[in-house]
Amino acid sequence: EPEVTQTPSHQVTQMGQEVILRCVPISNHLYFYWYRQILGQKVEFLVSFYNNEISEKSEIFDDQFSVERPDGSNFTLKIRSTKLEDSAMYFCASSGLAGVGWAKNIQYFGAGTRLSVL
Amino acid sequence: AQKVTQAQTEISVVEKEDVTLDCVYETRDTTYYLFWYKQPPSGELVFLIRRNSFDEQNEISGRYSWNFQKSTSSFNFTITASQVVDSAVYFCALLTQGGSEKLVFGKGTKLTVNP
Repeated sequence: EPEVTQTPSHQVTQMGQEVILRCVPISNHLYFYWYRQILGQKVEFLVSFYNNEISEKSEIFDDQFSVERPDGSNFTLKIRSTKLEDSAMYFCASSGLAGVGWAKNIQYFGAGTRLSVL
Repeated sequence: AQKVTQAQTEISVVEKEDVTLDCVYETRDTTYYLFWYKQPPSGELVFLIRRNSFDEQNEISGRYSWNFQKSTSSFNFTITASQVVDSAVYFCALLTQGGSEKLVFGKGTKLTVNP
């Protein structure tokens, strides 16, 4: 069964460092997302990406964050200068098979990357 | 604004008991979708079900069933004859049909099924 793959599973970094979280969405999906979950809290939307551009972002997604789809398979989230409060589980999701419009609403999630900022 | 409330923070049951997880949502949109996701201890989010606002028919899938009632803005999830493997955090989520692709999650209910 196709799945969303995220690497690494755990990333430890020092405050102020740049990190890149990587995701391989389900093949032929058209919409890509990043969400985060601070320990013990609910899952929060960060950004959605479609047709090689950001389609929506939350207030959390400030100038320190950026997303990119550098090739046909990877989707990355970059945090330019990490802060302690960026420590969280980051989930990538994808949806929307080409040619099947209604299916865009089911977002399939990866296993997450746990980011620890020290 | 969209909002999802899962009032039960934690539930603990003994194996084979039935358990219902509550979800109440708020939206002004007439077209929307409701979801349940499961987050086992390993951490991934597993899609369980999607319901659209025009389909109030209850759904059953094995030991899982969902009760959608627009009159009370609720989308409750029942596990019949619970098993230890059902232990997880369960999230209810809302997606409106408008331009936004943002899933709005509730805070989750942690279910522990004891042997």
